[in-house]
Amino acid sequence: DAGVIQSPRHEVTEMGQEVTLRCKPISGHNSLFWYRQTMMRGLELLIYFNNNVPIDDSGMPEDRFSAKMPNASFSTLKIQRTQQEDSAVYLCASSLDPVPLETQYFGPGTRLLVL
Amino acid sequence: AQSVTQLGSHVSVSEGALVLLRCNYSSSVPPYLFWYVQYPNQGLQLLLKYTTGATLVKGINGFEAEFKKSETSFHLTKPSAHMSDAAEYFCAVRRLDSNYQLIWGAGTKLIIKP
Repeated sequence: DAGVIQSPRHEVTEMGQEVTLRCKPISGHNSLFWYRQTMMRGLELLIYFNNNVPIDDSGMPEDRFSAKMPNASFSTLKIQRTQQEDSAVYLCASSLDPVPLETQYFGPGTRLLVL
Repeated sequence: AQSVTQLGSHVSVSEGALVLLRCNYSSSVPPYLFWYVQYPNQGLQLLLKYTTGATLVKGINGFEAEFKKSETSFHLTKPSAHMSDAAEYFCAVRRLDSNYQLIWGAGTKLIIKP
């Protein structure tokens, strides 16, 4: 079975530009998570979707960050007006309900570098 | 507030030696506890989890962990380290006020010496 798929794997952009990160969860999973991973702050939950509906976006750092899940097989995380502090690994994970008893399956991540 | 503490940002062991990665948590009630592993340039993978029942939990790749309520610990062990175990290991606990959020430890990088 294919796992969680993320694209691109690496993204290099200049400050002020916009980037869109993509995630395809495991088929049949109805929960999807976006995390940010940095050396300084560790793993941070950005947003949680259940059945394509955003349940908790309290971890989204600023209005520059937005996420969508138009259908059960696709989600995007968009960062506008990127800043150097946005450089991080962005991980997408999916799971069956009920979380957290069910395992979260992580994608390989998108490594974002903002110059 | 709940927290997870992993002792040692880096742990180095010789191949064939015992692996012990320490995790302590703070929680007013028995929590759900998890160990995840992250290999270089990959996402996290669940090694094992404790929810209820038997306090000794066996996971993949020969790892196990024991939930000790009196010590608020959930240390990860493996009897004999392999070179392929070199990775970063994360301990996590479910937030008591959430049914989906995990509180993550800072991670421990395991280095295997030949």
